[in-house]
Amino acid sequence: TQLLEQSPQFLSIQEGENLTVYCNSSSVFSSLQWYRQEPGEGPVLLVTVVTGGEVKKLKRLTFQFGDARKDSSLHITAAQPGDTGLYLCAGGDTGANNLFFGTGTRLTVIP
Amino acid sequence: NAGVTQTPKFRILKIGQSMTLQCAQDMNHNYMYWYRQDPGMGLKLIYYSVGAGITDKGEVPNGYNVSRSTTEDFPLRLELAAPSQTSVYFCASSYGQGLYEQYFGPGTRLTVT
Repeated sequence: TQLLEQSPQFLSIQEGENLTVYCNSSSVFSSLQWYRQEPGEGPVLLVTVVTGGEVKKLKRLTFQFGDARKDSSLHITAAQPGDTGLYLCAGGDTGANNLFFGTGTRLTVIP
Repeated sequence: NAGVTQTPKFRILKIGQSMTLQCAQDMNHNYMYWYRQDPGMGLKLIYYSVGAGITDKGEVPNGYNVSRSTTEDFPLRLELAAPSQTSVYFCASSYGQGLYEQYFGPGTRLTVT
């Protein structure tokens, strides 16, 4: 099993604040995905990064894949209540048929 | 397109009972997956399939069985339910492996008492 550790596990912030969520592993992945899951629903893909050092922006969300392709970060600028949810990273391996999901970060943005 | 559908949404089982969780997708995806998600945790892979007639074990397969007779359907069978199987179960599908997006169903919340 390829373990992906996310930190922090829980995060509660005020609307308008910035935050960063981390996803770390001792394994190298060929790709890294970030999903967001809202209560009572399945996860929904936010982004896929495939190149070491790659940075992708999605409005107020910035995703970075580590140079060694073992870690990733998600930065949210000026958080809004709509950003509340469980954020999951997932690593893909060219030799595997499935993704390895991280432990999750539960974000609450207080209005 | 309905995407990935799962039934039932909720179920309570007694210890030792059996049931089948249904999953269907209408996107013609070859890859399908079953995950379980325990409270406050990420997803753990139970079983997956790379096409009709082909299934393989994931990280936590014990106590479960699957079949894949068609591209569309991927049912998960629980035999002799135990309290440790209380969880939320998600079915997902994807066009391919690795960097391809996985599309998830809405989940089935199962309680075993």
